[in-house]
Amino acid sequence: SQKIEQNSEALNIQEGKTATLTCNYTNYSPAYLQWYRQDPGRGPVFLLLIRENEKEKRKERLKVTFDTTLKQSLFHITASQPADSATYLCAWDSSYKLIFGSGTRLLVRP
Amino acid sequence: DVKVTQSSRYLVKRTGEKVFLECVQDMDHENMFWYRQDPGLGLRLIYFSYDVKMKEKGDIPEGYSVSREKKERFSLILESASTNQTSMYLCASSLSGQGARNIQYFGAGTRLSVL
Repeated sequence: SQKIEQNSEALNIQEGKTATLTCNYTNYSPAYLQWYRQDPGRGPVFLLLIRENEKEKRKERLKVTFDTTLKQSLFHITASQPADSATYLCAWDSSYKLIFGSGTRLLVRP
Repeated sequence: DVKVTQSSRYLVKRTGEKVFLECVQDMDHENMFWYRQDPGLGLRLIYFSYDVKMKEKGDIPEGYSVSREKKERFSLILESASTNQTSMYLCASSLSGQGARNIQYFGAGTRLSVL
């Protein structure tokens, strides 16, 4: 069955640095991967979507890559800010539903 | 903007009570979903619906049922609440299809405590 994994340890970085979060998947390769942001006590909010045949997707300070050889997607936040502190979830687009990773918590120190 | 509204932000119920969680979306989305989220376990799909009156079990349907009588409304029912159903419940909706059509829009969540 499809499985999607994110680093459960929190990522703690200094403001201004680039945050890099990892999402690994096993077995089948998803046609699409999505990334969401979730703040404490709130529902996830969609950020970016990347197709299997796209190497990279950007939106302002956010960048997502998709490496089908490594079975991995990387999510980058450049020039990070304390307001970027949140949990970030990746999700496998399984046609009619999404399979979510458990999320990685990012903490950006001022 | 898509809006998904959950009827309650916080709910406290007693063991054995029947509990209704309501969710309404305003974007004419075909698909609606109910998840629960617990620390360390991530988002787990309880049920989803791809059309009015249609439903499919997710990964953890035991102890829950759902109802979708109208396209915009999807209800989660705990027939007899138990303490292990204390959790954050999240509703989401999406269009039908893959890629951008499968982006899910979430409500703010209902934190349910069963005592």
